Amino acid sequence: ETGVTQTPRHLVMGMTNKKSLKCEQHLGHNAMYWYKQSAKKPLELMFVYNFKEQTENNSVPSRFSPECPNSSHLFLHLHTLQPEDSALYLCASSHAGTGENQPQHFGDGTRLSIL
Amino acid sequence: GQSLEQPSEVTAVEGAIVQINCTYQTSGFYGLSWYQQHDGGAPTFLSYNGLDGLEETGRFSSFLSRSDSYGYLLLQELQMKDSASYFCAVRDLSGGYNKLIFGAGTRLAVHP
Repeated sequence: ETGVTQTPRHLVMGMTNKKSLKCEQHLGHNAMYWYKQSAKKPLELMFVYNFKEQTENNSVPSRFSPECPNSSHLFLHLHTLQPEDSALYLCASSHAGTGENQPQHFGDGTRLSIL
Repeated sequence: GQSLEQPSEVTAVEGAIVQINCTYQTSGFYGLSWYQQHDGGAPTFLSYNGLDGLEETGRFSSFLSRSDSYGYLLLQELQMKDSASYFCAVRDLSGGYNKLIFGAGTRLAVHP
């Protein structure tokens, strides 16, 4: 149990569907992150939120739309996805701040398959 | 550009010692972290080096040489449960906030 919960664990959707991924953390953190993990590739940082404000959008296509209503919850809204978007989507959280190192705590991810 | 290089696969036997190297080229550098990920699981934090030298945490140690843009993770007394993927990640604060730039990961297979 990492303290970061992602739902659903698995998602299969067609290219015309709209779905959302959910992430919730119970660690009292105020920074949250979305990553994409594809086989044999580095974890790709997608979005960063600090104190509910988006501080990073790593050139992510607009078919991915994040939402952070509060410091404990993070969503990734999906629409009109492409087959190459099939991957494991990981959420992470950490304390914000640039002093001491702040390790990120990851959820187990959502395995997304686009038909 | 930003890049981290680490071997894609390493194989070792139980009880042995293995070293996983990581070299990096990044525009901002504020430290090197290591994460472990078992198949189907979440990446978990193992170790962090903000300064040059060796950090030891039980059977795991991590080393950093900033002048060489190089670090390694050393795993001693290997156990079967150490079979996992290991990722190095550079801490980047250049935007005024924390972010990590990850390598592609090294898959470690421990055999009896």
